[in-house]
Amino acid sequence: DQQVKQNSPSLSVQEGRISILNCDYTNSMFDYFLWYKKYPAEGPTFLISISSIKDKNEDGRFTVFLNKSAKHLSLHIVPSQPGDSAVYFCAAGFTGNQFYFGTGTSLTVIP
Amino acid sequence: DTGVSQDPRHKITKRGQNVTFRCDPISEHNRLYWYRQTLGQGPEFLTYFQNEAQLEKSRLLSDRFSAERPKGSFSTLEIQRTEQGDSAMYLCASSLAFGSNSYEQYFGPGTRLTVT
Repeated sequence: DQQVKQNSPSLSVQEGRISILNCDYTNSMFDYFLWYKKYPAEGPTFLISISSIKDKNEDGRFTVFLNKSAKHLSLHIVPSQPGDSAVYFCAAGFTGNQFYFGTGTSLTVIP
Repeated sequence: DTGVSQDPRHKITKRGQNVTFRCDPISEHNRLYWYRQTLGQGPEFLTYFQNEAQLEKSRLLSDRFSAERPKGSFSTLEIQRTEQGDSAMYLCASSLAFGSNSYEQYFGPGTRLTVT
């Protein structure tokens, strides 16, 4: 059972524009949500998180939005840079316990 | 700290052989997680430890899979009688057990297993 879904396998964006990556989840009890970034031949790297008590968290160019009623979260990258090209995974779960990962979205930022 | 390390980075084995992977977490992290990632999928949780205690192992894929963390530091993941379906990337991650950043898991580079 896929509890976390990323329905867009890939996304291409022009440098300087906004990248929006989307993620849907099924379990309304999840209390923490994470985004990871992965380059080839490396493990995932933590990017940004949001707890279920918030609807927005911002860190520099990265903002995560959480819509609990829709069980949906999104990652906004503004402005997008070529170095942002990577696979992005969202994950949802329970603090201090296991997290469920989506299948990933491959972002390509075109110079 | 050099981060989470995994050894070996690549392993090719013949079907039916046993393999063992090692993970060294970040030294101050008392939680250690094992994941499997297959092509086109996200990391799939297998098991985790808090110090030397294995707190969740029901998601290990079969009884051929086992993990240990005998002294609460490094961990090993063993797969017995490997099958071609075991071919995947095996990822290890570590985190703090408590505190505001306990959800943040730091991943190693993974061990890529190929079963021929």
